[in-house]
Amino acid sequence: SQKIEQNSEALNIQEGKTATLTCNYTNYSPAYLQWYRQDPGRGPVFLLLIRENEKEKRKERLKVTFDTTLKQSLFHITASQPADSATYLCALTNTGFQKLVFGTGTRLLVSP
Amino acid sequence: NAGVMQNPRHLVRRRGQEARLRCSPMKGHSHVYWYRQLPEEGLKFMVYLQKENIIDESGMPKERFSAEFPKEGPSILRIQQVVRGDSAAYFCASSPQDGGFGEQFFGPGTRLTVL
Repeated sequence: SQKIEQNSEALNIQEGKTATLTCNYTNYSPAYLQWYRQDPGRGPVFLLLIRENEKEKRKERLKVTFDTTLKQSLFHITASQPADSATYLCALTNTGFQKLVFGTGTRLLVSP
Repeated sequence: NAGVMQNPRHLVRRRGQEARLRCSPMKGHSHVYWYRQLPEEGLKFMVYLQKENIIDESGMPKERFSAEFPKEGPSILRIQQVVRGDSAAYFCASSPQDGGFGEQFFGPGTRLTVL
């Protein structure tokens, strides 16, 4: 069955360091992979989308890589700040305008 | 441009009652999705609608749950005869008809508690 795995343990890092979060998937051939941020008690907020034919995407301090051979995406936050503390979700979809299949998320804690 | 709106934000129902959750998509968006998030679990897709049409309901429980997105007004997720296991956060998301690659914009959610 389709499976999307994110590290269930919280990731603790110090302010200013680079946070790297992992998303692995099996039995899936997504056309798009998306990353969302979710704060407690709130809905997810879209961050970045990467297509299957793209290796890397950047937006300000965020960088996403997508390796369809390894079936893995890495999500990087450079120069992390305490305000980056949240749960980060990866989501897959076959094409646009379809349901998102979410991983369980990884909680990031950035300490000052 | 207002974001996705959901109401109520919190809803308490006793077992056997009905719950109605409402979602108004972002202006100009004609695709609506409903997701459920159980405590300590990930977001699970329930249903995808466009105006007056259900496109994909593969994540909806077969009984007691229904959804609609009428020509006028918000999308409604209806849960009949609620049970304790229905307690969860229900999120609505929308995406535009044209443009974009499927990124979705989420509302703040409705937290349903069944007593």
